[in-house]
Amino acid sequence: NAGVTQTPKFQVLKTGQSMTLQCAQDMNHEYMSWYRQDPGMGLRLIHYSVGAGITDQGEVPNGYNVSRSTTEDFPLRLLSAAPSQTSVYFCASSKRGTGTTANVLTFGAGSRLTVL
Amino acid sequence: SQKIEQNSEALNIQEGKTATLTCNYTNYSPAYLQWYRQDPGRGPVFLLLIRENEKEKRKERLKVTFDTTLKQSLFHITASQPADSATYLCALVRGSGNTGKLIFGQGTTLQVKP
Repeated sequence: NAGVTQTPKFQVLKTGQSMTLQCAQDMNHEYMSWYRQDPGMGLRLIHYSVGAGITDQGEVPNGYNVSRSTTEDFPLRLLSAAPSQTSVYFCASSKRGTGTTANVLTFGAGSRLTVL
Repeated sequence: SQKIEQNSEALNIQEGKTATLTCNYTNYSPAYLQWYRQDPGRGPVFLLLIRENEKEKRKERLKVTFDTTLKQSLFHITASQPADSATYLCALVRGSGNTGKLIFGQGTTLQVKP
């Protein structure tokens, strides 16, 4: 059981370049989300998905696109990278339900992105 | 808007002492609150969840309290060890229902000195 796997771990981009951060989970979790973490700002929600084919915006969605074609995968796309998108990105998943595991997130190890 | 605040200053304590971290929230009435641990270069890891009708929750050396009147949660680590050094995050569910969307505090870094 790998949990939540993110690739790449590190990436350097030039302004205007595009790239995709990959996220895959093998726990059969229904919900997946992307957060960015910046010093002093905490984790902020970018986009989330409650199931295959369903995505919605979080707190800071501008400049990012997502899609969810399968339960397992939830890639995050930067169409035209900007220096303000320099951050550490975390993918997370959680199980649908109302018990004690509801809304408990399992995080990936993170992807550190630098935009020059 | 909904807001969560944790003490941004690092907490330095001596090994064996009890560490107490604070999480305050405003404009919110959460059904439950979560605590996560984050080590440098890694993703957060879930530790404990406490519901609004629970005053206190324990897990080994960890204890969490939840005061919905004060809008505050306290996170205690008793008999602290250098291995407990990490950043601790509190989190609340964003909006209603179970959607996996959380609001996080900025985290408090704990340093336990031997």
